[in-house]
Amino acid sequence: GAGVSQTPSNKVTEKGKYVELRCDPISGHTALYWYRQSLGQGPEFLIYFQGTGAADDSGLPNDRFFAVRPEGSVSTLKIQRTERGDSAVYLCASSPTDRSYEQYFGPGTRLTVT
Amino acid sequence: AQKITQTQPGMFVQEKEAVTLDCTYDTSDQSYGLFWYKQPSSGEMIFLIYQGSYDEQNATEGRYSLNFQKARKSANLVISASQLGDSAMYFCAMREGGNQGGKLIFGQGTELSVKP
Repeated sequence: GAGVSQTPSNKVTEKGKYVELRCDPISGHTALYWYRQSLGQGPEFLIYFQGTGAADDSGLPNDRFFAVRPEGSVSTLKIQRTERGDSAVYLCASSPTDRSYEQYFGPGTRLTVT
Repeated sequence: AQKITQTQPGMFVQEKEAVTLDCTYDTSDQSYGLFWYKQPSSGEMIFLIYQGSYDEQNATEGRYSLNFQKARKSANLVISASQLGDSAMYFCAMREGGNQGGKLIFGQGTELSVKP
């Protein structure tokens, strides 16, 4: 079956612009996670959804970052007034329920802020 | 304080030999889970193995085994019979808390290179 997909695969934007990153989880997976991976680092947690609601958004770095999952499937990570420090690979993962231990990761979106 | 520590930035191993990748963790929770993921140059994170804090036996999945030493707070990954395709970044991760869901906390990673 289809895995987690993320679009776009690459995004280049200018400092100060707004960007949206999309994640399509595996069909039927109720839990969805966003992580950010800077060069040479491990992924850092941003936010986690169970269904439509954000169960834990403690990793969002500031109020420029926001994520939604209105129908409990596709999720969008939104970044306002982008800064060069936001450049990273943004990874999305899903799992069948929030009781499942395995998270299935997508290929990521590489965001470059110039 | 760093929760997951991987002290080996890079490791080399000869093809067909075994290799151990180190991971230590820090938590005050009694219930937690430990994970290893592989990240090839393509970038996708691939789940390898899971160990629950209450599991008495070390986890094994094919050529992967997790050497879990609870008192030492270590969760080393052992790859037996290394293959060229094992060359990748390897990340140790932890999920705290009694529930099964929730965020993963990752280490800095170890880059493994398998020599022919």
